[in-house]
Amino acid sequence: NAGVTQTPKFRILKIGQSMTLQCTQDMNHNYMYWYRQDPGMGLKLIYYSVGAGITDKGEVPNGYNVSRSTTEDFPLRLELAAPSQTSVYFCASSYSPGTNSPLHFGNGTRLTVT
Amino acid sequence: AQSVAQPEDQVNVAEGNPLTVKCTYSVSGNPYLFWYVQYPNRGLQFLLKYITGDNLVKGSYGFEAEFNKSQTSFHLKKPSALVSDSALYFCAVRDMSGSSNTGKLIFGQGTTLQVKP
Repeated sequence: NAGVTQTPKFRILKIGQSMTLQCTQDMNHNYMYWYRQDPGMGLKLIYYSVGAGITDKGEVPNGYNVSRSTTEDFPLRLELAAPSQTSVYFCASSYSPGTNSPLHFGNGTRLTVT
Repeated sequence: AQSVAQPEDQVNVAEGNPLTVKCTYSVSGNPYLFWYVQYPNRGLQFLLKYITGDNLVKGSYGFEAEFNKSQTSFHLKKPSALVSDSALYFCAVRDMSGSSNTGKLIFGQGTTLQVKP
C-alpha cells in the first residue's frame, strides 16, 4: 500500500498561472480532504469529499477548485495563482468518520507563487 | 464556534525527562480529540485519539494523552523523552458542525517539541 500520494513535491508558479495538485489514495477510502499549512497557523481545510461525485467547501476555499470523479483521486486546482496561495498543501483520506478513524496524510506539495 | 488552542509555540525538554504538550479545546457537545505528529518534509501521522471512556489514552511511540473535561484540555505526555521525538505536534478536534459527521478536523497551531541530548 502506497497510502496517500501527492504530486508534485515542489512547484514554483508565477502570479496568474494555473496548476493542478494531484492526490491519489489506494486504501479505498471514501472521505478525502485538502488542507493548507502555513507557519504558526496550523492546518486549514480547503475542500473535502465524502465520496465520488460529492465535494464541499471547507474553511478557506476561495481561489481553489476540486473534483472527485473516482474514489482514488482528488485533484486540487488553482486557476489564477496569487502570492497568498504560497503554502504547503496536504491531501488526506479516511475510512469512515463514523468510527472516528484517523486521517491518513500525504507528504505534501510545497507551492511558491512569485 | 469550535476551536483548538496550543498555547506553546515550542517546548524544550532534556532527553530522559517527561514531556507535556498542551492542548485546550472549545466544542459544543462531546469532543472527539486527536494528536498528530509531523516530521520535517513529511505529512502528519496519527498518534492517538480520545472518543469516550478512560481519560488516559495510550498511543503510538510511548505517547499518551490525558482528557480533562472540566478543564477542556487534552495534553500530550510521555514519561521519558527521546531526541527522536523532536517534531511538530498538532492537536485536533472533530468538526461536528453541520448535519452529519464528515470527518473534518479543526487543528491547533502546532507545537514544536525540541528534545536535547
